[in-house]
Amino acid sequence: ETGVTQSPTHLIKTRGQQVTLRCSSQSGHNTVSWYQQALGQGPQFIFQYYREEENGRGNFPPRFSGLQFPNYSSELNVNALELDDSALYLCASSPESSSYNSPLHFGNGTRLTVT
Amino acid sequence: AQSVAQPEDQVNVAEGNPLTVKCTYSVSGNPYLFWYVQYPNRGLQFLLKYITGDNLVKGSYGFEAEFNKSQTSFHLKKPSALVSDSALYFCAVREPGNTPLVFGKGTRLSVIA
Repeated sequence: ETGVTQSPTHLIKTRGQQVTLRCSSQSGHNTVSWYQQALGQGPQFIFQYYREEENGRGNFPPRFSGLQFPNYSSELNVNALELDDSALYLCASSPESSSYNSPLHFGNGTRLTVT
Repeated sequence: AQSVAQPEDQVNVAEGNPLTVKCTYSVSGNPYLFWYVQYPNRGLQFLLKYITGDNLVKGSYGFEAEFNKSQTSFHLKKPSALVSDSALYFCAVREPGNTPLVFGKGTRLSVIA
């Protein structure tokens, strides 16, 4: 069973640039969530994708956007980067959007630094 | 909206002693409760969950947690701490339905040999 994999592991960008982070979900999982974890904080929900459609969104501005592909892999795109976007971005998959009692399976994250 | 509070930023315990990491929550309706652990430069690993049934839940690596509805708490416990348990621990809650998993700020556990 292949776990959740994220790429790249680290990334340095300049304020105003755009970034794309990638995630491959665990085998058999069709739901992907993205979280932002700032230093010293708990993960904050960005959005969730189920069968290629966004079906939940947290309190993040529209410059945070995503995609889910037919193979259930996913991308997180952030436009017009700000210094406060520096964080660990975590992708998590789960077997079914309606399985609310199923634990999320997390990747190791992408550490984004905005200078 | 659901929320989680972890009142302790840091918990220190001697190896071999019992440990408790505290968590309280606020939800509308019945909660789904989770504990995760995070090691340096890694993602979160699932430890255990409470959905319904027995208030004492057993999970991975000898950890357990007790659900207390009247106190809206879900404290993580282990009878005998190991140095390798040193990590960042997150409590999380979600309400039934298509709602996100909401995390606390985390508690750093340090087990001293």
